Amino acid sequence: SQKIEQNSEALNIQEGKTATLTCNYTNYSPAYLQWYRQDPGRGPVFLLLIRENEKEKRKERLKVTFDTTLKQSLFHITASQPADSATYLCAPTNSGNTPLVFGKGTRLSVIA
Amino acid sequence: ETGVTQSPTHLIKTRGQQVTLRCSSQSGHNTVSWYQQALGQGPQFIFQYYREEENGRGNFPPRFSGLQFPNYSSELNVNALELDDSALYLCASSFPGTNEKLFFGSGTQLSVL
Repeated sequence: SQKIEQNSEALNIQEGKTATLTCNYTNYSPAYLQWYRQDPGRGPVFLLLIRENEKEKRKERLKVTFDTTLKQSLFHITASQPADSATYLCAPTNSGNTPLVFGKGTRLSVIA
Repeated sequence: ETGVTQSPTHLIKTRGQQVTLRCSSQSGHNTVSWYQQALGQGPQFIFQYYREEENGRGNFPPRFSGLQFPNYSSELNVNALELDDSALYLCASSFPGTNEKLFFGSGTQLSVL
């Protein structure tokens, strides 16, 4: 069956450091992979989408990589700030109108 | 703000009752998905509606049902509530025919006592 694993339920890092979150998937051949941010009691917010033919995508302090051979995506936040503290969800997705399936998420805490 | 609104924000029901949750999609979006999120878990896909037809369903029993209306607003109905149905219920809309970039509402927190 399809499986999504996100590294460690919780990740604590110091302000200013780079946070790296991992998303591994099995029994998938996703056409693209999405990352979302979720704050407590709120719905997820879309951050980035990377397609299978893209190795890397950047948006401000965020960087996402996608390795279809390793079946893995890495999500980096550089120069992290306490405001980056949230749960980050990945969703490898097949093409078209296939519903999104999310991992459990990684709760990131950036400590000042 | 995403433009997706859900009501009510909080709801308390007792076991065996029925509940209806509502969602208004972002303008121009004709695809709506519903998710259940238990505490500490990722959102679990319940079902998706596209042009008023169910277009995919997750591993949820038939007592979870839905509707999409011509204005693309949507309802989630849950019959015979169980304690394990206590969760945050999220509605998400997306551009026509795609699940690239979902826009989520803030959710309805359902407590079943």
